[in-house]
Amino acid sequence: AQSVAQPEDQVNVAEGNPLTVKCTYSVSGNPYLFWYVQYPNRGLQFLLKYITGDNLVKGSYGFEAEFNKSQTSFHLKKPSALVSDSALYFCAVRDIASGNQFYFGTGTSLTVIP
Amino acid sequence: DVKVTQSSRYLVKRTGEKVFLECVQDMDHENMFWYRQDPGLGLRLIYFSYDVKMKEKGDIPEGYSVSREKKERFSLILESASTNQTSMYLCASSPFVGDLNYGYTFGSGTRLTVV
Repeated sequence: AQSVAQPEDQVNVAEGNPLTVKCTYSVSGNPYLFWYVQYPNRGLQFLLKYITGDNLVKGSYGFEAEFNKSQTSFHLKKPSALVSDSALYFCAVRDIASGNQFYFGTGTSLTVIP
Repeated sequence: DVKVTQSSRYLVKRTGEKVFLECVQDMDHENMFWYRQDPGLGLRLIYFSYDVKMKEKGDIPEGYSVSREKKERFSLILESASTNQTSMYLCASSPFVGDLNYGYTFGSGTRLTVV
């Protein structure tokens, strides 16, 4: 069965420190992985995606994510956190076997402390 | 710039009312989706549509229906609103389902409160 797990409901990090938001996935075929960000009372915005190629993917606002096939993970990272990065982050996987549907994680709330 | 527009940002409705949530996209996308978002539960798919006049049930269709009379518009209908339908509703669209390079484009959401 297809699934996405975000093991941390809440992540706190000091401004200027590196941040990591974790995501693991389970699909029957090749994974197509995405990260979205949601600011308060807004819809989800696309950050980055992994389809194929380099395991390190760079996206918007200085974010990047590392695809690790052996660990079935796709963790979101940023070298230096900003207060404005505080938001809700969703990992998603697109599964060919189920008609290319998206499966979203439950979200991780990131708070960057000044 | 691609856009998905949800007609209302906030709505307050009474129990038993029929509620219409409207979503319009200007990207000529084939696929449109309705999700509800609740704390701790993430996004749950209510209904989706791959084409005009087509609709498919998602994971939680009970209490909802949809309408897609035109390609750009996908409406979510709460036939008789109940308090457990108080939630954030998100509309999304994407190009042809076979193109895996594309993600979803989301609207800004409608926060519905049923009293």
